[in-house]
Amino acid sequence: DAGVTQSPTHLIKTRGQQVTLRCSPKSGHDTVSWYQQALGQGPQFIFQYYEEEERQRGNFPDRFSGHQFPNYSSELNVNALLLGDSALYLCASSWGANTGELFFGEGSRLTVL
Amino acid sequence: LAKTTQPISMDSYEGQEVNITCSHNNIATNDYITWYQQFPSQGPRFIIQGYKTKVTNEVASLFIPADRKSSTLSLPRVSLSDTAVYYCLVGVRNNNDMRFGAGTRLTVKP
Repeated sequence: DAGVTQSPTHLIKTRGQQVTLRCSPKSGHDTVSWYQQALGQGPQFIFQYYEEEERQRGNFPDRFSGHQFPNYSSELNVNALLLGDSALYLCASSWGANTGELFFGEGSRLTVL
Repeated sequence: LAKTTQPISMDSYEGQEVNITCSHNNIATNDYITWYQQFPSQGPRFIIQGYKTKVTNEVASLFIPADRKSSTLSLPRVSLSDTAVYYCLVGVRNNNDMRFGAGTRLTVKP
């Protein structure tokens, strides 16, 4: 049973570019949440997708957008990259009416130069 | 969402019991308390969750007093591999909007 998988694991972009990160949830899970974790900080909630809709959103600008596909996989898109967007981006999956336990992937480390 | 406060860091030695306390004074009636562990360059990993009194699993115990304004994660007989950041989260059980704080950086020494 595969856990949460994320791609790519590492990538480097320059300011102003756009990036797409991908996430496949754990088998049987239908909800995907995205987090941004800067070095030395705790993960910050970006948004959550359920039934292909954004259900909740943290305090992130509209440059951060996402999508969930019918197979429950998800994408995180960030436009007009800033140096401050450099971080580890974590995807977490869970089952809708769940116990509150989130299963995290290993993350995608984005460096913006 | 209830705000949580944890010590920034703690040191311990192999074989000792470690207790990490989290304060959550404005916890709501429907909120659960969940703890995660995170190693460098990895995603957080669920440790334990509870609502009141005591919860124990194969990894840790969680103690929650009657007023639920704090909770204590207890790690028995820690080893070097328990060196990690530990996060306390408070939120509605069926709500996936888990908000992480800064966590407690535990260092286990030989």
